[in-house]
Amino acid sequence: IQLTQSPSFLSASVGDRVTITCRASQGISSYLAWYQQEPGKAPKLLIYATSTLQSGVPSRFSGSGSGTEFTLTISSLQPEDFATYFCQQLNNFPLTFGGGTRVEIK
Amino acid sequence: QVLLVESGGGVVQPENSLRLSCAASGLTLSSHGMHWVRQAPGKGLEWVAFIQYDGNNKSYADSVKGRISISRDNSKNTLYLQMNSLRPDDTAVYFCARGRGIPPHHYFDSWGQGTLVTVSS
Repeated sequence: IQLTQSPSFLSASVGDRVTITCRASQGISSYLAWYQQEPGKAPKLLIYATSTLQSGVPSRFSGSGSGTEFTLTISSLQPEDFATYFCQQLNNFPLTFGGGTRVEIK
Repeated sequence: QVLLVESGGGVVQPENSLRLSCAASGLTLSSHGMHWVRQAPGKGLEWVAFIQYDGNNKSYADSVKGRISISRDNSKNTLYLQMNSLRPDDTAVYFCARGRGIPPHHYFDSWGQGTLVTVSS
């Protein structure tokens, strides 16, 4: 299953509302997760099962969608949110990731 | 606190072998399915392999099938990745990660810091 993220890069300001899209090449029900990765660090789980927030993740992060189209929304971008975001499908093996969306400071 | 620490990375020539280890603390490895995920320099994430909590079920990415083998020693609380016939495109940081959920519906809630494997002559 191929995952296509868009955009691959976005420039935004602190306080902006940001939306990242992840499209699957076939239906994956709600089996989707989102990760945040800072340079030189391991990915960090943000959301699983499309919309369930991982413990400790701020509520400004939210996820939605089903089937083949999913979104990650950051309601008010904070300085610590400038990073790269990846989606991952957990519908079946081989597990796959989207190509990533890099969020940079405008 | 869950801690996963990878080791064993380094520079290796093409066609040679390498074994990576992932030592776990703060969790009982025998209770969890575990995965290896890699990331080539400047690139995205690629899932590599999965092993069930008891070692009885494994799955691999097509790109590594037949060359790479995942295993675990629950008595040592350690996960392994045996990599043979290494190619330059295997160059990446290799992360071990804990899978949550019922396989194959696994997401990764704990990750190691990664170990760099460089395949070059």
